[in-house]
Amino acid sequence: NAGVTQTPKFRVLKTGQSMTLLCAQDMNHEYMYWYRQDPGMGLRLIHYSVGEGTTAKGEVPDGYNVSRLKKQNFLLGLESAAPSQTSVYFCASRKESRLAKNIQYFGAGTRLSVL
Amino acid sequence: SQQGEEDPQALSIQEGENATMNCSYKTSINNLQWYRQNSGRGLVHLILIRSNEREKHSGRLRVTLDTSKKSSSLLITASRAADTASYFCARYSGAGSYQLTFGKGTKLSVIP
Repeated sequence: NAGVTQTPKFRVLKTGQSMTLLCAQDMNHEYMYWYRQDPGMGLRLIHYSVGEGTTAKGEVPDGYNVSRLKKQNFLLGLESAAPSQTSVYFCASRKESRLAKNIQYFGAGTRLSVL
Repeated sequence: SQQGEEDPQALSIQEGENATMNCSYKTSINNLQWYRQNSGRGLVHLILIRSNEREKHSGRLRVTLDTSKKSSSLLITASRAADTASYFCARYSGAGSYQLTFGKGTKLSVIP
């Protein structure tokens, strides 16, 4: 049981380049999230999805786009990378159930550097 | 904005000692959760306490919640070197919210 898998694990981009981060979960969870974590900070929510085909903005959505074409996948795109987007990106998922107590399950992270 | 704040920001203790971390928040909650993050890894859920609970235990973990003071504490007893990690409190922002709000975390170092 893999849980939440993020690819790639590391990436270096030049300013202005684009890339897509992939998150895949095998727990049949309805909700998925993308966060970024900067040094000395907690996690800040970028975008999230409450189901296939739906997405919503979080706290820091600017410069990012997302898509959820399949329930198990949640993609995070950077159209024109900027140095301010250098960060560690985490994907998480959770089940839509009160019994699940809203616990989120996290991937191992993608470390992105934009030069 | 981050509405959960942990205190202290960093804590260094000897193996075998107890570690206490505090969390404050600003608005009402349904539950409050604590997560652990080992260096270079993702977050792992530790324990959840509901708003109608005052204390909860899980192994060497003890969580308390004071809704009147909007604060929670996480106690790790008999700490081990493997407990070295960052600890975050988190809560959902309002009734029916999908967004989990994290504090900046407490970085715990347990010295063997």
